[in-house]
Amino acid sequence: DAKTTQPNSMESNEEEPVHLPCNHSTISGTDYIHWYRQLPSQGPEYVIHGLTSNVNNRMASLAIAEDRKSSTLILHRATLRDAAVYYCISRRDNYGQNFVFGPGTRLSVLP
Amino acid sequence: DVKVTQSSRYLVKRTGEKVFLECVQDMDHENMFWYRQDPGLGLRLIYFSYDVKMKEKGDIPEGYSVSREKKERFSLILESASTNQTSMYLCASSSAGTGGVDEQFFGPGTRLTVL
Repeated sequence: DAKTTQPNSMESNEEEPVHLPCNHSTISGTDYIHWYRQLPSQGPEYVIHGLTSNVNNRMASLAIAEDRKSSTLILHRATLRDAAVYYCISRRDNYGQNFVFGPGTRLSVLP
Repeated sequence: DVKVTQSSRYLVKRTGEKVFLECVQDMDHENMFWYRQDPGLGLRLIYFSYDVKMKEKGDIPEGYSVSREKKERFSLILESASTNQTSMYLCASSSAGTGGVDEQFFGPGTRLTVL
């Protein structure tokens, strides 16, 4: 399994971009990188995923290093609603649907 | 609006009781999962199921069992609840798909307290 490493916490000001880093140095060639977030008192929700190329959707962008050993989730303009725990997840090799969740990064957004 | 629902948001049980946590999804998903979440430990996979009547152990199955008699329903059973099973329990589902890219949809969680 590819283990991921994230900072425990980060802080951002409202309306500013946020870059959330993730290291996954043991990721295998066919493993996707997934990001989920968990708002207070809710279950996790999907944010974005990618394999090799950078990805954009309405919520965020995902920048993947060329060697795939790290990635960065980018929130272009943080809002108070973006305050959450963000999980960077590797896909377990043998089971296509299982995710290994680490402790994640707690993002605080200051008004 | 797709949904994963869990039978209770909060539950209080006594040590030794048998506890059933129910999860229902309305998306016709093949895969269903049970996680527990504890402070500082993130989410840990207890059991998962790829099909009706099928189950696989996750990372921490000890003290738990599961049942999947219907595609839409996945139950987590604590045969004899203990205080160290006090936790937030999260259910999730996803479609079968390929490549491990399918999104997991989570329920709101059940906060279980065992006294």
